Amino acid sequence: SQQGEEDPQALSIQEGENATMNCSYKTSINNLQWYRQNSGRGLVHLILIRSNEREKHSGRLRVTLDTSKKSSSLLITASRAADTASYFCATAYYGNNRLAFGKGNQVVVIP
Amino acid sequence: EAQVTQNPRYLITVTGKKLTVTCSQNMNHEYMSWYRQDPGLGLRQIYYSMNVEVTDKGDVPEGYKVSRKEKRNFPLILESPSPNQTSLYFCASSFQGGVVNTEAFFGQGTRLTVV
Repeated sequence: SQQGEEDPQALSIQEGENATMNCSYKTSINNLQWYRQNSGRGLVHLILIRSNEREKHSGRLRVTLDTSKKSSSLLITASRAADTASYFCATAYYGNNRLAFGKGNQVVVIP
Repeated sequence: EAQVTQNPRYLITVTGKKLTVTCSQNMNHEYMSWYRQDPGLGLRQIYYSMNVEVTDKGDVPEGYKVSRKEKRNFPLILESPSPNQTSLYFCASSFQGGVVNTEAFFGQGTRLTVV
């Protein structure tokens, strides 16, 4: 089955710096989604990028998708302490209407 | 406020005692699903429903039941809970077509401990 895999697993940065996370997957997808989770709480959707899109922006977030390499990246610019969370990528494809999640990236932003 | 509401948020129970975790959404979403989150394993889908009276198995359905009698509700039933079902459970919903078309909205989670 599909599965996103983030890299690196844990990231510690200073406030104001940029944070980049990568995600790879194994098979063709319909879309790839990024979610944020704070301390075991519910997941919050950040961005959805479709297989025919290459880049998407939302505020301080930038997501890229390279379907030839089966990979995606999430960039958080000018990080804030409130960005401290776990970030998950998840893939979805027709024929299997579920999100296949990666293990998650823990990001700590130091004030 | 648009939301997915799960109850209870925390539950400790004993092996074999049937329990139900409720999930309700107020966004008129057709698609609803249940996930469990375990350390080292990430989130895995248990069951999903494309609409009323339509349910299907996810990756880890064993030991769970679901029903979708109303559009807004999607309860998760553990008929005979076992310790390996100790986990953090999330309910999620999406617009028509499900997650192949659009994002999922997640509840706050239910932390279940089976002793």
